[in-house]
Amino acid sequence: DTEVTQTPKHLVMGMTNKKSLKCEQHMGHRAMYWYKQKAKKPPELMFVYSYEKLSINESVPSRFSPECPNSSLLNLHLHALQPEDSALYLCASSQDRAAEAFFGQGTRLTVV
Amino acid sequence: GESVGLHLPTLSVQEGDNSIINCAYSNSASDYFIWYKQESGKGPQFIIDIRSNMDKRQGQRVTVLLNKTVKHLSLQIAATQPGDSAVYFCAENQAGTALIFGKGTTLSVSS
Repeated sequence: DTEVTQTPKHLVMGMTNKKSLKCEQHMGHRAMYWYKQKAKKPPELMFVYSYEKLSINESVPSRFSPECPNSSLLNLHLHALQPEDSALYLCASSQDRAAEAFFGQGTRLTVV
Repeated sequence: GESVGLHLPTLSVQEGDNSIINCAYSNSASDYFIWYKQESGKGPQFIIDIRSNMDKRQGQRVTVLLNKTVKHLSLQIAATQPGDSAVYFCAENQAGTALIFGKGTTLSVSS
């Protein structure tokens, strides 16, 4: 199984809503990542978890809150988002931080 | 900060041609590089990788070349097919931190 599964595939939320994005992998990878991708732009790193601990936060606003409940799961909690936060949110995992990363299909988020 | 970038935003080729996509990086501390392919509405898909102790690596129809002297990376696709049409990103790993992506090149293959 070389798959990273993200749910939901699409999400529309209002600026006062609270929602969560979910990511799951069963490859035994110990590093997991959240990236944000705007249209026609490269993925931008948001957060890195290594051995279930947050190791990198790329100065992401506090309205994005990551959580790693166990080694297979990664969540991104969303609260009070802005329309400019609309993007494709990608989850990835790798054996460790120096190995190739496998990406999920992403969650297409629209903030209205 | 320093980041990886691509020379051309778009590349158009005919089916059967060889394609070369280029990337320049600026961080000499980067020691691992990956090429990803991203089709519309999908996540990036791993194509091939190379570590800094190598200058060439070959896969099926793809070759990655690394020139550390000029900090340049290229992806060569042999006998390009319409199914190769996508956006290609190079990404660098800066000393085991996380992958940082370059700007991307859109490859269009016409038959």
